[in-house]
Amino acid sequence: EPEVTQTPSHQVTQMGQEVILRCVPISNHLYFYWYRQILGQKVEFLVSFYNNEISEKSEIFDDQFSVERPDGSNFTLKIRSTKLEDSAMYFCASSSLLYEQYFGPGTRLTVT
Amino acid sequence: QKEVEQNSGPLSVPEGAIASLNCTYSDRVSQSFFWYRQYSGKSPELIMSIYSNGDKEDGRFTAQLNKASQYVSLLIRDSQPSDSATYLCAVNGGGSQGNLIFGKGTKLSVKP
Repeated sequence: EPEVTQTPSHQVTQMGQEVILRCVPISNHLYFYWYRQILGQKVEFLVSFYNNEISEKSEIFDDQFSVERPDGSNFTLKIRSTKLEDSAMYFCASSSLLYEQYFGPGTRLTVT
Repeated sequence: QKEVEQNSGPLSVPEGAIASLNCTYSDRVSQSFFWYRQYSGKSPELIMSIYSNGDKEDGRFTAQLNKASQYVSLLIRDSQPSDSATYLCAVNGGGSQGNLIFGKGTKLSVKP
């Protein structure tokens, strides 16, 4: 069964450094999303991406964040200058229509 | 501010019993509703979707939706210890590209 994959599974970085989180969505899906979950808290929407552009973003998704689909398979989330409060699990999700979203295993980002 | 509310639990049921999980949402225009299961340290796994009023059954799971009351529930019949997890209710945010708003989740514990 097709699934969303994410790399790395765990990323440790120092405050102020740039990180890139990578995702390979399910191959025939058209909509891509990033969510994050701070430990013990709810899953929060960051951004949605369709037809090679951002379709929606939350208040969390400020100028420090960017997304890109550099080729036909990868979908990336970049955080330009990480802060301590960016430490969280980051989940990529994809869907074929505007409905059922399938999540990847996540990347645990630790900012020290 | 669109909200999805769930009782955080823990909800403890004996093996073989019916587990009933509830969720309310604030935005009347929401059209799509989802239940995800999240094991500790893992990503959300889609188990049910429901779009119209009434019941939808899939194996041991039944989702119930009442849009007038802004209420959605999940019943798990013949609960198994492997069902022990946190169950997340998610509602589409009403945006054009389907971002999900999640509740904090209800932790279910099924005792053998």
